[in-house]
Amino acid sequence: DAKTTQPPSMDCAEGRAANLPCNHSTISGNEYVYWYRQIHSQGPQYIIHGLKNNETNEMASLIITEDRKSSTLILPHATLRDTAVYYCIVPQGGSEKLVFGKGTKLTVNP
Amino acid sequence: DGGITQSPKYLFRKEGQNVTLSCEQNLNHDAMYWYRQDPGQGLRLIYYSQIVNDFQKGDIAEGYSVSREKKESFPLTVTSAQKNPTAFYLCASSMWGANTEAFFGQGTRLTVV
Repeated sequence: DAKTTQPPSMDCAEGRAANLPCNHSTISGNEYVYWYRQIHSQGPQYIIHGLKNNETNEMASLIITEDRKSSTLILPHATLRDTAVYYCIVPQGGSEKLVFGKGTKLTVNP
Repeated sequence: DGGITQSPKYLFRKEGQNVTLSCEQNLNHDAMYWYRQDPGQGLRLIYYSQIVNDFQKGDIAEGYSVSREKKESFPLTVTSAQKNPTAFYLCASSMWGANTEAFFGQGTRLTVV
């Protein structure tokens, strides 16, 4: 099963880009990378996912390295409301179960 | 509006009592999940269900039970056998298979006294 490794915490200044890294060195060729975030005391919220191409939506961009062993979630202009725990997930192969680790606590500072 | 609803938001129970947490979705999703979250920790999978009348244990199923009699509903019972039931419980749903995102409810905070 592909496991993910994320830094426990990061800080970012308001208005600047937040770049959140994730390592998933054991990812298989057909496994997707998903990103969710959880604002305090709320349910997690889906952000974006990708297989091997870079992806962008209204919330964020996802950059996946060519070897697919790591990825970076980019919030281009972080706001205070982006303060949350960000989870990088590679669903367990075959069953598509979502397994959440501890994620990265992103604090956006004024 | 489509979505996933958990109720109640806060729940208090006395030790030794069973309690059932509700989770309903109108997204026509096949799969539903229950997670537990303790303070400062990530989410841990309790049970999941891919289809009506079928469910599988997750990583921490002991002391919990579920049923999936309808596609829309996946209630979780916290039994008296669960040694540390006080936690934040999250329900989610998704289509089953690759390339699909999960939608989460707002959670139920259970406190056992």
